[in-house]
Amino acid sequence: QSALTQEVSVSGTVGQRVTLSCTGASHNIGSYTVGWYQQISHDTPKPVMFGSSLPSGIPDRFSGSKSGTTASLTISGLQPEDEATYYCSSWDYSVTAQVFGGGTKLTVL
Amino acid sequence: QVTLRESGPAVVRPTETLTLTCTFSGFSLNSYGVCLSWIRQPPGKAPEWLARIDWDDDKYYNTSLKTRLTLSKDTSKNQVVLKMTHMESVDTATYYCARVEGNYCGAPPDKWGQGTLVTVSS
Repeated sequence: QSALTQEVSVSGTVGQRVTLSCTGASHNIGSYTVGWYQQISHDTPKPVMFGSSLPSGIPDRFSGSKSGTTASLTISGLQPEDEATYYCSSWDYSVTAQVFGGGTKLTVL
Repeated sequence: QVTLRESGPAVVRPTETLTLTCTFSGFSLNSYGVCLSWIRQPPGKAPEWLARIDWDDDKYYNTSLKTRLTLSKDTSKNQVVLKMTHMESVDTATYYCARVEGNYCGAPPDKWGQGTLVTVSS
């Protein structure tokens, strides 16, 4: 059981706006920057958001936010290449560890 | 350009010790705020953080694996070595090293290596 909770699956059509959520606690998401990673098939997880900051090269249709102990990744104008599994991650001071969510499989219909 | 590359055996036998090396370039593990983590991902599962070594040589380990893990660094070679003892089939996974750089080492890793698949099998 992951320390961070994500939807198992989310789907959307091309051009749609979708939001993925990541729910944690005060000792992880509530205290630290959340990272979001995109993993396509068996490739290396690729950072797509740090808090609300876009890593270099990531299109600005990706945006991030946080409210209390829940972080969100929003993709506006969904594209076929966005189909992937997305993981959130945060440091957790209660276990002194980097924790990950179980991942959300995003399907582009 | 920041690069990280994991190296080590593709197959280890049960009960053996796994030794993985992360060789990096484009940054220094001696610099303030730079840290390096090891993360693994079993097939079809979410990533699992294993351990982290910081610029000041502080080390942190996943509490459930702590007794089996040892981290060391050789800054002259730009390498970090992870040792994991008593390997079992459940340890079969792709192992990644990943860099953290920023105001604190608990920030999400921003650069990852390509990963190396380790299979535990007799």
